[in-house]
Amino acid sequence: EADIYQTPRYLVIGTGKKITLECSQTMGHDKMYWYQQDPGMELHLIHYSYGVNSTEKGDLSSESTVSRIRTEHFPLTLESARPSHTSQYLCASSGQGNTEAFFGQGTRLTVV
Amino acid sequence: AQSVAQPEDQVNVAEGNPLTVKCTYSVSGNPYLFWYVQYPNRGLQFLLKYITGDNLVKGSYGFEAEFNKSQTSFHLKKPSALVSDSALYFCAVRPVTSGTYKYIFGTGTRLKVLA
Repeated sequence: EADIYQTPRYLVIGTGKKITLECSQTMGHDKMYWYQQDPGMELHLIHYSYGVNSTEKGDLSSESTVSRIRTEHFPLTLESARPSHTSQYLCASSGQGNTEAFFGQGTRLTVV
Repeated sequence: AQSVAQPEDQVNVAEGNPLTVKCTYSVSGNPYLFWYVQYPNRGLQFLLKYITGDNLVKGSYGFEAEFNKSQTSFHLKKPSALVSDSALYFCAVRPVTSGTYKYIFGTGTRLKVLA
């Protein structure tokens, strides 16, 4: 079992609220990723980071933002949630010498 | 453009029968290849990978995958399917390019094992 944690697992929130999805890993991995996935559908990379103070936008445009102040922590923030943000958000990490990515359990976000 | 194709949205197989889930890729060079499984409301779990060496790689839960360089394929196989194997399976590649560590995922194949 990979040591990467996402909180909360489930979140229902009203339109216009600011939310932060947490992702932490204890493996010392330098690379971290956020994917957006509609239920049972393909994954879309929305943000990634190759190290502290390094963040990049992914292949799918997203209104969310991320930060990487500490190696182990890669939170994702939505300043003003909208129903179109309803989705599952998956965090992943990989490290030096580790070629595979390890995934957290995901956060299922519903904006009403 | 680099891409990964999983041509079947769903694969149905009877319990006890062998299963194959197909994956082909279009990536330059010699990428790393992966298979993941996803159960409902969960993240992705790593099954196996091909980096180099033998074309047949073995992974978790009795799964294996066959790499074919000329066909740029990496099909997932299992000799005898279980009902508990029913899940969503993703093929992924990571191009081996200096400074790039992004994973490209296929669209997923839903495996349904019938009792």
